[in-house]
Amino acid sequence: DAKTTQPPSMDCAEGRAANLPCNHSTISGNEYVYWYRQIHSQGPQYIIHGLKNNETNEMASLIITEDRKSSTLILPHATLRDTAVYYCINSQYGNKLVFGAGTILRVKS
Amino acid sequence: GAGVSQSPRYKVAKRGQDVALRCDPISGHVSLFWYQQALGQGPEFLTYFQNEAQLDKSGLPSDRFFAERPEGSVSTLKIQRTQQEDSAVYLCASSFPFDSPRDTGELFFGEGSRLTVL
Repeated sequence: DAKTTQPPSMDCAEGRAANLPCNHSTISGNEYVYWYRQIHSQGPQYIIHGLKNNETNEMASLIITEDRKSSTLILPHATLRDTAVYYCINSQYGNKLVFGAGTILRVKS
Repeated sequence: GAGVSQSPRYKVAKRGQDVALRCDPISGHVSLFWYQQALGQGPEFLTYFQNEAQLDKSGLPSDRFFAERPEGSVSTLKIQRTQQEDSAVYLCASSFPFDSPRDTGELFFGEGSRLTVL
């Protein structure tokens, strides 16, 4: 599975959009981009995934560049409850997920 | 509830003791994964089951670690002769098979079992 690169931490003001970047320059053609988050003392929680098109659900939007070498997760209106570690993962559909260190997002009032 | 259930939530063991951690996946989920998460790090893959078949155990760190899922539902992760480096949160996750019409691409995680080895 391709390795991803994320900033170690980010801050965001409550109510503003949180834009979390991820680089995956070695992603394979059949690998998806998955985003999960992990709130303190809980198991990881699925957010969204996509192959090449942009995706949106009730939690977030996923923007994937045309060359698929990077993506951005957007939380449109961050709340304090969105403070968590966010993981960007590349994996073939249905395969095991290989987690990196992720980005610690701190939402501040 | 309808989520992945793990027990015990917390386990303290003396070095050298054997421990068993249980995972009850969501009903109907064929795929089951175990992960190990050390403090301050991301989860690391241990092993994968599809029904009762253990298809991938490449992440098990030593032969002291053993996982089973005899009836294709509940799974148990057993650690023999525990060592201090085994202290971690052990996460279980489950999903529908990827070719199932019920599959949404989501892996559902439990809250984990925190093992502390003294």
